[in-house]
Order: sequence, then structure tokens, then C-alpha cells
Amino acid sequence: DAGITQSPRHKVTETGTPVTLRCHQTENHRYMYWYRQDPGHGLRLIHYSYGVKDTDKGEVSDGYSVSRSKTEDFLLTLESATSSQTSVYFCAISEGRPNYGYTFGSGTRLTVV
Amino acid sequence: AQKVTQAQTEISVVEKEDVTLDCVYETRDTTYYLFWYKQPPSGELVFLIRRNSFDEQNEISGRYSWNFQKSTSSFNFTITASQVVDSAVYFCALSEARGDYKLSFGAGTTVTVRA
Repeated sequence: DAGITQSPRHKVTETGTPVTLRCHQTENHRYMYWYRQDPGHGLRLIHYSYGVKDTDKGEVSDGYSVSRSKTEDFLLTLESATSSQTSVYFCAISEGRPNYGYTFGSGTRLTVV
Repeated sequence: AQKVTQAQTEISVVEKEDVTLDCVYETRDTTYYLFWYKQPPSGELVFLIRRNSFDEQNEISGRYSWNFQKSTSSFNFTITASQVVDSAVYFCALSEARGDYKLSFGAGTTVTVRA
């Protein structure tokens, strides 16, 4: 009943390979966000979407791309994975009104070897 | 640009002690929202509280209390009579009421409660 799911939950990949993470929502929320969590940095915004096919960069977007072809799905792609992209990735959704808050997925732990 | 600072990296206490987590924020907006999230060892983000910039009333919820002071741009969080289950990483976050409502997080404070 969470309304937001991330897949996969865990992934190990090799340096230089492309990787796609998926965020799926059933809440029909307009806004979707991808964050990465690293020790000492909290969560930092990678990319976000404010509608189908409408996306924008966050503070740590280099090496990442996103796509949103349907309201319910927001994909994060690491074009050529590097060890510095080893992290925990969280997706979040929002109606667009902060007073209603944000819902976070359970996270994807990505290891690049 | 908005910014959230949590100066305390780690706090370790013995059970039943009180713990206060500091959060200082920067924003140019007059309307904004402040949040606290808890991340237990299991890894999920648990929403604790949300405050808007027009509501400086402090709040108590069970063993949790929050002190919001616009004059010092602070939104501090206190756990009273801490328990081992309070051990977690706590994040303070800020969202402006415009600009695609992006949520900016502090670096987090790791709280360890020892039995």
C-alpha cells in the first residue's frame, strides 16, 4: 500500500556498464524525484520530473539521465557506471504542495565494482 | 538557494537521556516547509514532522518535541527519555513553496542510544 516502489532493491554492476533504476507510483502524483544518499552528504537531488516528459537537473546530475514517458514511471539511467556512483538511491513523489509532504521509496542499493 | 545544516554528525547517549538535534536552514523565500525524517538501520525514510514558515508554534508528540525559531532560522528536534529504538539517522529538510518543491536535506545526525 506504499504507493511507490523501486526496482531493483539491490544491484551490483561493473564499471562502464549502463544501469537503469525504476521508480513506479500508483498515486498519480505530478512530481517525482531521484536522490542519492552518501555518508556525510545526506540525500542529494539528482534529477526530478514535474510531468510526463518534463524533467530537470538537480545538484548532482552529471553521469545520470532520466526519462518519464508515463505518469507512473520515472527511470534513472547511469549511462556508464563509475565507482563514485556506488550509493543508495531513493525515489520520492509529491503532489506538488509541500504541506502534503513527500513519499519515499524503499531505496536501491547500487554497487559499482 | 536553499540550504540545510546539521552540524552534529554523531550523538551517543545512554538510554533515558534527552537528545537534542540541531538544524539551521537558509532560504530566500518567505514561505517554506521544514521536515524531520528518521532513517532506522533498516534504511527506509520515516516522516516525523512537517512545519510551515507561518507556524512557529512548538510541538510535542509523545517523547518528541520540536522548536521552530524563524529569528535564528532553526528547527531543532528533541527526543526525551531516549530509548534504544531511537537509534537512527535523523535528517532535517527544507522545501520552498515554489520552484518545483524540491526537498533539500541536511547531512544527517546519527543518534546511538546505548542500553
